[in-house]
Amino acid sequence: GAGVSQSPSNKVTEKGKDVELRCDPISGHTALYWYRQSLGQGLEFLIYFQGNSAPDKSGLPSDRFSAERTGGSVSTLTIQRTQQEDSAVYLCASTWSKGTGQPQHFGDGTRLSIL
Amino acid sequence: AQSVSQHNHHVILSEAASLELGCNYSYGGTVNLFWYVQYPGQHLQLLLKYFSGDPLVKGIKGFEAEFIKSKFSFNLRKPSVQWSDTAEYFCAVNAANFGNEKLTFGTGTRLTIIP
Repeated sequence: GAGVSQSPSNKVTEKGKDVELRCDPISGHTALYWYRQSLGQGLEFLIYFQGNSAPDKSGLPSDRFSAERTGGSVSTLTIQRTQQEDSAVYLCASTWSKGTGQPQHFGDGTRLSIL
Repeated sequence: AQSVSQHNHHVILSEAASLELGCNYSYGGTVNLFWYVQYPGQHLQLLLKYFSGDPLVKGIKGFEAEFIKSKFSFNLRKPSVQWSDTAEYFCAVNAANFGNEKLTFGTGTRLTIIP
């Protein structure tokens, strides 16, 4: 079946521009997570969605970062006024949220490069 | 807050050698433990997980991991590695919870197998 789909796969943009990253989770998965993979930083949690609500935004690094989810499905991560330190691979994961220990299924990520 | 330490940053082995990758975590409560693998050019995939029961868990491709609660460890092992095991390996933990199961990852171990 289809896995988690992310677009674009690569994005190069100039410092100061806004970017939107998209995640299409596995159909029926109610929980959706965004992570960031930076060189030397490993994978860091950004935000968690349960349905359309985001009960945990604690990982968003600044108010330039925001995310939304509509229809309990597609999610968009928006970075405003991008900075060079935003360069990273942004990963989306989804899972059933019906019990503890459910593994998260990851997309291929969006590689974001800020010039 | 949880944290995960992977002490081996880069491991180089010859084919047929035995493998053990270290993972230690810190968290005061009940946790679920995971090993994910990222093959070159591919997305993160679940290798194995522990959430209760037998502390020795077996995963795909001949990998296993042992949860030692007293040592806060979840080391990954394989008795005989293959060239195709070349990849990056991530240990991860989340709080055993119904709902927000955001993962905290280690910084990863790059494994290179020499034919």
